[in-house]
This record gives sequence, C-alpha cells and structure tokens, in this order.
Amino acid sequence: DAGVTQSPTHLIKTRGQQVTLRCSPKSGHDTVSWYQQALGQGPQFIFQYYEEEERQRGNFPDRFSGHQFPNYSSELNVNALLLGDSALYLCASSLRMTGPGNTIYFGEGSWLTVV
Amino acid sequence: TQLLEQSPQFLSIQEGENLTVYCNSSSVFSSLQWYRQEPGEGPVLLVTVVTGGEVKKLKRLTFQFGDARKDSSLHITAAQPGDTGLYLCAVNAGNMLTFGGGTRLMVKP
Repeated sequence: DAGVTQSPTHLIKTRGQQVTLRCSPKSGHDTVSWYQQALGQGPQFIFQYYEEEERQRGNFPDRFSGHQFPNYSSELNVNALLLGDSALYLCASSLRMTGPGNTIYFGEGSWLTVV
Repeated sequence: TQLLEQSPQFLSIQEGENLTVYCNSSSVFSSLQWYRQEPGEGPVLLVTVVTGGEVKKLKRLTFQFGDARKDSSLHITAAQPGDTGLYLCAVNAGNMLTFGGGTRLMVKP
C-alpha cells in the first residue's frame, strides 16, 4: 500500500518563475491538503481539495493555486516566485470524514529553493 | 501570536535523560494531536488526546491533555538517539491542521 508520494523531491527556481509540485494521495484517500513549512517552523496550511474543488484555504496569496484530478492526485502551483517562497512543501491525504479517528498522512515533501 | 505555543523551541540532551515539552494555548480544543517529524520526512501522527486530563502512553512517550483542554505535554523517559526530531502539536478542524512552532529535540549518544 503506497503512502503519500510527492515529486519532485528537490528543485531550484529563480525569482519570478513558476513551479508545479505534484502529489499522489494514499490509496483510498479522497482529500488532499498542502502545507508550507519554512525552515525551523511548523507547517502552515495552504489549501485543501476534495471532489476536485478547493474546499478550505489558509492565509496565502492568489499566487498559490492548485488542482485535484479525478484520480484524487493533486498539483500545487506557485506563480511569480519570491525568495520567501523557499520552503518544504508537504502534501497530506485523508478521508473526507472528520473526527479524531481520521488519520492524516503526509508525504516526504518537496524542497523548493528560490534564488 | 500563534494559536499553539510550544516550548522549548530547542532541546539537546544526552541519551538516557528524561524530558518534557509543552504545548500551550489560550483557546479550548475538543482534541489535540502530537506529531513527530524526522529529518527529510513529513510529520507522522503519534497520538490524539480528546478528554481533559487524559493521559496516553506510547512506549517511552507519555502524553497528557490539560484538564481545561487548553494545553498538553509530552514526556519522554530515557531518551534515545532515535527520538531525535521535530515534535509538533496540532489541532485538527475539518482535516485542516494548525500546528505549533515545534520543539526540535536532539538526543546525543
């Protein structure tokens, strides 16, 4: 049973460029969320997708956008990259149900460096 | 001000020592979770505490939820190098996690 898989694992981009990160959720999961984790900090929620629609969004600008595909996989797109976007981007998958019994699983993340 | 304040931010100890890390808030929560994140990995759920005053044990790790459900602690007995990592507390609202800043623990052999 494959867990949450993310690609690429590391990438370097230049300020102003655009980046796309990809995530495949754990088998059987239908909800995908994205988090940004700056060095030395806890992860911060970007947004969540369910049934191919953005359902919840954190305090991130419109430069951050996403997509969910019919097979539940997801992409995170960041436009007009800034130096401050350098971070570990984590994908998390879960079932739509809520409550303490629903475990959220994280991928290993994509390290983005903006130079 | 963060919703969840974790302390200490950093902790470096020798193998065999005991330690406690804290997660505090001014808000009341229906439940609280603890995660461990090892270098190069995503966070992994350790435990969910639900009831005020609840104590849960996971081998050498003991988790406690405050009576008022505003705070929690994690105690590690006889720490080992394998316990090294970032310990995060979080609240889960509709599968959206809000994390504290984390406690970075290093256990030296």
